[in-house]
Amino acid sequence: SQQGEEDPQALSIQEGENATMNCSYKTSINNLQWYRQNSGRGLVHLILIRSNEREKHSGRLRVTLDTSKKSSSLLITASRAADTASYFCALKAYSGAGSYQLTFGKGTKLSVIP
Amino acid sequence: DGGITQSPKYLFRKEGQNVTLSCEQNLNHDAMYWYRQDPGQGLRLIYYSQIVNDFQKGDIAEGYSVSREKKESFPLTVTSAQKNPTAFYLCASSIDGGHTEAFFGQGTRLTVV
Repeated sequence: SQQGEEDPQALSIQEGENATMNCSYKTSINNLQWYRQNSGRGLVHLILIRSNEREKHSGRLRVTLDTSKKSSSLLITASRAADTASYFCALKAYSGAGSYQLTFGKGTKLSVIP
Repeated sequence: DGGITQSPKYLFRKEGQNVTLSCEQNLNHDAMYWYRQDPGQGLRLIYYSQIVNDFQKGDIAEGYSVSREKKESFPLTVTSAQKNPTAFYLCASSIDGGHTEAFFGQGTRLTVV
């Protein structure tokens, strides 16, 4: 199955700045999701964008999806120290027989410096 | 409280032993997933299940086995055939397989000693 590839692998910014992370993939998807993981913990869902959508917002988060380029971006505006975490894109794709796979990339490690 | 629970949080295993990781959810979700995460890496899909008594192999199923006898439970057995089992294991569930988010447990850290 395919995995998303996040870029950059690591990102360090000052508090108040915006953070942008990108995700590229190779085959068709049902939807694309973004998750956050604090060190050593489970993942928390941030936002889901369907393959027929181009942009979604949730609070300080903005996600775009370009299916022609097979890429997505996550923008976090006005970052805070508490946003420090790893961020993963996840691809939901139909795998046959009524089943869907949810596969993850390697993530972007975001550090927000106070 | 509704949620997804993994136990134990830490697990130590001797080489050559099988070990079973528990994953229970009371969210009435149909779909459940098992992932492995190595240090500094992303999540790799081991097995997933859409409904009771049915499951599919993910990308790294070799050396692992699962069962889905009840909707709320999806235990993962790490067998002695898994050559490098030391890792962080995450279980997740979602309402169904379509346009729904996944909820994650807090993970089990398995160490082979």
